[in-house]
Amino acid sequence: SQKIEQNSEALNIQEGKTATLTCNYTNYSPAYLQWYRQDPGRGPVFLLLIRENEKEKRKERLKVTFDTTLKQSLFHITASQPADSATYLCALETNDYKLSFGAGTTVTVRA
Amino acid sequence: DGGITQSPKYLFRKEGQNVTLSCEQNLNHDAMYWYRQDPGQGLRLIYYSQIVNDFQKGDIAEGYSVSREKKESFPLTVTSAQKNPTAFYLCASSTQTGSGNSPLHFGNGTRLTVT
Repeated sequence: SQKIEQNSEALNIQEGKTATLTCNYTNYSPAYLQWYRQDPGRGPVFLLLIRENEKEKRKERLKVTFDTTLKQSLFHITASQPADSATYLCALETNDYKLSFGAGTTVTVRA
Repeated sequence: DGGITQSPKYLFRKEGQNVTLSCEQNLNHDAMYWYRQDPGQGLRLIYYSQIVNDFQKGDIAEGYSVSREKKESFPLTVTSAQKNPTAFYLCASSTQTGSGNSPLHFGNGTRLTVT
């Protein structure tokens, strides 16, 4: 069956450190992978999209990698700040017109 | 200021009653979606619409219905046939129906509680 798995445990890190989140998938071959941020009680907000032929994508302090051989994407938040505390969701297209999401990883950055 | 508006933010209903959740967008997007979010689970797709007057079932459509009479509006009705309706409901839109390359814009959700 098709699955998208993210770090099951919440991530607690010290301000200034790098947070690394994992998104693994099975039985898909997505051409694109997306990452979203969700704050409590709010809808997800799009952060980054990476294509299968891109190994790495950056946006300010965020970096995403996409390894189609390992079927894995890594999401890094460098120089983390308390304002980065949120749940981060990965999403990928599983068939036409459908975007499927992982359950998310909750990150807490301590000051 | 473009975006997606969902209303109400909180909704309480008695079991056996149908309830309609509103979703309006002013982004001029063709595609609209309804997702359901439960604690510890990924977002699950209920229905989606690629164009006005057309919509398709997602992965968990049973007990739900939608309409798409206007490009801007995609209301979701949770019927009494839905066995476990209490959840956080999210509406989204995108420019293209090829969703992998088209980010979703989400509303801020409606939390439905059925007792």
